[in-house]
Amino acid sequence: RKEVEQDPGPFNVPEGATVAFNCTYSNSASQSFFWYRQDCRKEPKLLMSVYSSGNEDGRFTAQLNRASQYISLLIRDSKLSDSATYLCVVTLNTGGFKTIFGAGTRLFVKA
Amino acid sequence: EAGVTQSPTHLIKTRGQQVTLRCSPISGHTSVYWYQQALGLGLQFLLWYDEGEERNRGNFPPRFSGRQFPNYSSELNVNALELEDSALYLCASSLRTGLYEQYFGPGTRLTVT
Repeated sequence: RKEVEQDPGPFNVPEGATVAFNCTYSNSASQSFFWYRQDCRKEPKLLMSVYSSGNEDGRFTAQLNRASQYISLLIRDSKLSDSATYLCVVTLNTGGFKTIFGAGTRLFVKA
Repeated sequence: EAGVTQSPTHLIKTRGQQVTLRCSPISGHTSVYWYQQALGLGLQFLLWYDEGEERNRGNFPPRFSGRQFPNYSSELNVNALELEDSALYLCASSLRTGLYEQYFGPGTRLTVT
């Protein structure tokens, strides 16, 4: 089983739609959680950190469920510019810090 | 404030050659991470440096090595290049260690022929 798993997609949605991605992690010692977006052939950019209480940034909402070991990202009112790959990132400390990137979920938003 | 910078932007090398990639972290960041991303694939963790020390290493052969300088900039060296080393090499930096957000540079695209 992969340490961080994401549905690769692609998710094809119309503009204005709401779309949700889930990411599961296998190690219960995971401590920090993030969502990044990566455009084609570009570097990943931090989208948001994910806190235990959940957090929102404009159209984006992130949730953490420690009991079920998953994090989620909800995008409301999708824009064409949201088309990208969304990476789930988990950091844990197992005698040394380790950062694990999921393989990403591809999103296409169409007019 | 300047972000993470990497040089060179692109590089073409021949099998068997050696290459050095460079990274300057965001001012105030002491941790530097290196990742490899082959075309169409996910990020693979290579190396992590903090305060001049190698703190962790991914599943890559010893011909991948690096170092971090007193000013926290870093180099990634790859010896005896193989065709499958062709990839985007990304450097990221973070405040201190481990649990903090990482900020990425634009990467160095390496092509091995």
